Amino acid sequence: QITLKESGPTLVKPTQTLTLTCTFSGFSLTTGGVGVAWIRQPPGKALEWLALIYWDDDKCYSPSLRSRLTITKDTSKSQVVLTMTNMDPVDTATYYCVHSKRIATQTYYFDYWGQGTLVTVSS
Amino acid sequence: IVMTQSPATLSVSPGERATLSCRASQSVRSNLAWFQQKPGQAPRLLIYDASTRATGIPARFSASGSGTEFTLTISSLQSEDFVVYYCQQYNDWPPLYTFGQGTKLEIK
Repeated sequence: QITLKESGPTLVKPTQTLTLTCTFSGFSLTTGGVGVAWIRQPPGKALEWLALIYWDDDKCYSPSLRSRLTITKDTSKSQVVLTMTNMDPVDTATYYCVHSKRIATQTYYFDYWGQGTLVTVSS
Repeated sequence: IVMTQSPATLSVSPGERATLSCRASQSVRSNLAWFQQKPGQAPRLLIYDASTRATGIPARFSASGSGTEFTLTISSLQSEDFVVYYCQQYNDWPPLYTFGQGTKLEIK
């Protein structure tokens, strides 16, 4: 059974750096064709993909946020960490950690989601 | 790639059929998924590969389409189906996964 759970601060101040941790079980990030993504959703708004890290440590980022994001993995702890620098009130959102599965060459889809964690950016 | 869902809100009576649309600004082949999101919950995968139901999804959910035009159909609507649905493409390379703005299904 695949499960994911996000953890991190619920409140950050503007200009600070956000660090979120995704702790997962039921799969390994050393298995071919597997990835973990971060997706966020501002209150009442649509979903936005942020970053994805693959089983082979390759990474990809949303072009609009690339300069602010870093995604890493610790396979021994079954964790994926996302850092986002220079936080702003517009970054207030629920942040989700999502398991990704390869369906074809270089083609991954999102299947299992964590429960999400609400991060508020305010002074 | 921009994903456009229509309508933004769809009013349908319980027991009837609902048809939701999703359009891509350029071809995504069959690399499209549909998600259901209930209030206060994470999205749940309904459909991937444009028409394949995910594990445990009831048969009343079906989907079709390829290229730029996609449809999600929910037959015989039940009370728990009146929530928000998102489409999402995963065709871009380098990866740039994009979601539609969502369709809210409400009781008529």
